[in-house]
Amino acid sequence: GENVEQHPSTLSVQEGDSAVIKCTYSDSASNYFPWYKQELGKRPQLIIDIRSNVGEKKDQRIAVTLNKTAKHFSLHITETQPEDSAVYFCAAHTGGFKTIFGAGTRLFVKA
Amino acid sequence: NAGVTQTPKFQVLKTGQSMTLQCAQDMNHEYMSWYRQDPGMGLRLIHYSVGAGITDQGEVPNGYNVSRSTTEDFPLRLLSAAPSQTSVYFCASSYTSGQGRETQYFGPGTRLLVL
Repeated sequence: GENVEQHPSTLSVQEGDSAVIKCTYSDSASNYFPWYKQELGKRPQLIIDIRSNVGEKKDQRIAVTLNKTAKHFSLHITETQPEDSAVYFCAAHTGGFKTIFGAGTRLFVKA
Repeated sequence: NAGVTQTPKFQVLKTGQSMTLQCAQDMNHEYMSWYRQDPGMGLRLIHYSVGAGITDQGEVPNGYNVSRSTTEDFPLRLLSAAPSQTSVYFCASSYTSGQGRETQYFGPGTRLLVL
């Protein structure tokens, strides 16, 4: 079945460093890849997304890259700040109508 | 716009009891879905709907029923609650543009404890 794998499960960085989270998907018909940030006790909220016809997208300190051939996509956060600490989820909209999520990455940014 | 709303915020059930989790959206989104979130497992799709009168199963549909009689509402029914259904439940909605289905907006969640 459709699957999204996400690594690492936990990531600890020093404030100001970069953080990279990687995901792979199984359904080659997937065409939309959102990233969500979830703070403790809150709902997931979209931070950036990318469609299958684009290789890279950037929004201030956040960027996402997509390699359709390898079925990989990654989230890059530069100049990390303590408020970036949260759980991050990647997801893939499949060729059907499902959205499959990765298991999440808990990011700690140490001041 | 209230966005996506869910009730109740928190519920305790005994094994075997039934209940309905309510979800409503006022954005006229045709697509709605239900997820459960368990520690270390991300969000898993339970059921989804692409429009009023149309529903389908997600990754983990067993033990849950849904219906979609209106565009706005998408209730999730637990027929006979089990401790394994203890989880946080999120409802989400999205619309479809010329590029395809757009991002989902999540409700605040319902925390369910089954004893």
